Amino acid sequence: NFMLTQPHSVSESPGKTVTISCTRSSGSIASNYVYWFQQRPGSAPSLVIYEDDLRPSGVPDRFSASIDISSNSASLTISGLKTEDEADYYCQSFQTDNPWVFGGGTKLTVL
Amino acid sequence: QITLKESGPTLVKPTQTLTLTCAFSGFSLSASGEGVGWIRQSPGKAPEWLAVIYWNDDKRSSPSLKSRLTITRDSSKDQVALTVTNMDPVDTATYYCFHLGMYGDYVIDSWGQGTLVTVSS
Repeated sequence: NFMLTQPHSVSESPGKTVTISCTRSSGSIASNYVYWFQQRPGSAPSLVIYEDDLRPSGVPDRFSASIDISSNSASLTISGLKTEDEADYYCQSFQTDNPWVFGGGTKLTVL
Repeated sequence: QITLKESGPTLVKPTQTLTLTCAFSGFSLSASGEGVGWIRQSPGKAPEWLAVIYWNDDKRSSPSLKSRLTITRDSSKDQVALTVTNMDPVDTATYYCFHLGMYGDYVIDSWGQGTLVTVSS
């Protein structure tokens, strides 16, 4: 079984760009799709990226994602930061016996 | 528009059985590719998947909690229930139900608002 490791927190100023990483502990990051969820305080998580780099309808194109086989990690990039982007972000992927495995989450502060 | 809403007790005692209900609308769990599941999230922690039930009645549960979990559906009422036996204070969490099917069998595309369950004597 693998784990997904994210930085505990990141911060950036409005209008800037921030990238959040998600590193898979074993097995290739490319073996299973990676998903990203945004969770604002007091709210349920919301899907912002699916299948590594696809945006659900309604998610602005300021949100993008990719995977990097060399570092065995996935990344979520948010450009043109807005205060409303301040939230916890979780990556998620699959394992055979535990389909929905989540990273520990990254708290994004937009200051 | 898909909506889901959890309901159930907010406080249970240790060793008791918890039963939560997810009432949904905007889709039919009888339609091919649809699924409803449960995830919980302890305060300040990452979400933890619990169980899922699919349109064809295929069910899966978290290996670490499998013996304590039961997921069922009532298609006539558009509801899915989760039962967790032998509750413990470590089971204190917000419990969410979720929908699968809009973007694929394994993509959580919608969540309920969640219900906080506290386990305490």
